[in-house]
Amino acid sequence: GAGVSQSPRYKVAKRGQDVALRCDPISGHVSLFWYQQALGQGPEFLTYFQNEAQLDKSGLPSDRFFAERPEGSVSTLKIQRTQQEDSAVYLCASSLISKVSQETQYFGPGTRLLVL
Amino acid sequence: GESVGLHLPTLSVQEGDNSIINCAYSNSASDYFIWYKQESGKGPQFIIDIRSNMDKRQGQRVTVLLNKTVKHLSLQIAATQPGDSAVYFCAENIEGYQKVTFGTGTKLQVIP
Repeated sequence: GAGVSQSPRYKVAKRGQDVALRCDPISGHVSLFWYQQALGQGPEFLTYFQNEAQLDKSGLPSDRFFAERPEGSVSTLKIQRTQQEDSAVYLCASSLISKVSQETQYFGPGTRLLVL
Repeated sequence: GESVGLHLPTLSVQEGDNSIINCAYSNSASDYFIWYKQESGKGPQFIIDIRSNMDKRQGQRVTVLLNKTVKHLSLQIAATQPGDSAVYFCAENIEGYQKVTFGTGTKLQVIP
């Protein structure tokens, strides 16, 4: 079956532009996660959804970052007034149930964002 | 394209040899640990996990060892193959919380 998909795969933005990154999780997956991965680093947690509820947004680096999952399936990560330090790969992951230790997270291929 | 493994510590092994990748985790409260494999241009892929009530777990060609005393994890890959070339991350989690914290990663290069 289809895995987690993300679009666009690559995005170039001028500093100050707004961007929207899309994640299509595996159908039926309850949990959805966003991570930010800087070059040469491990992914860093941004936020977590259980269905449509955003239960943890402690990793969002600033109020320029906003995520939503209005119908409990597709999610969008929006970054307003992009800065050069926002350049990174943004990874989305989903899992069937809400307990990390009982269900594998399946990652998408990521969106590589470059802010000029 | 750019490599996920840029600036990461690198382990080079001969094809057919065993590989050992080490990781020091940061939080003594963590009780669930995961190893991921990430190939260039792809998202991390689950390899094996271990809970804190265990010190060893084996999968197919992979073994994870956990030493809670010194907060150390290792991933052993038997008979390393070219397809094992990737960046490997350990990750930690506290039961009941959704946040997964990744380590910095090790790039494994398999020499044919």
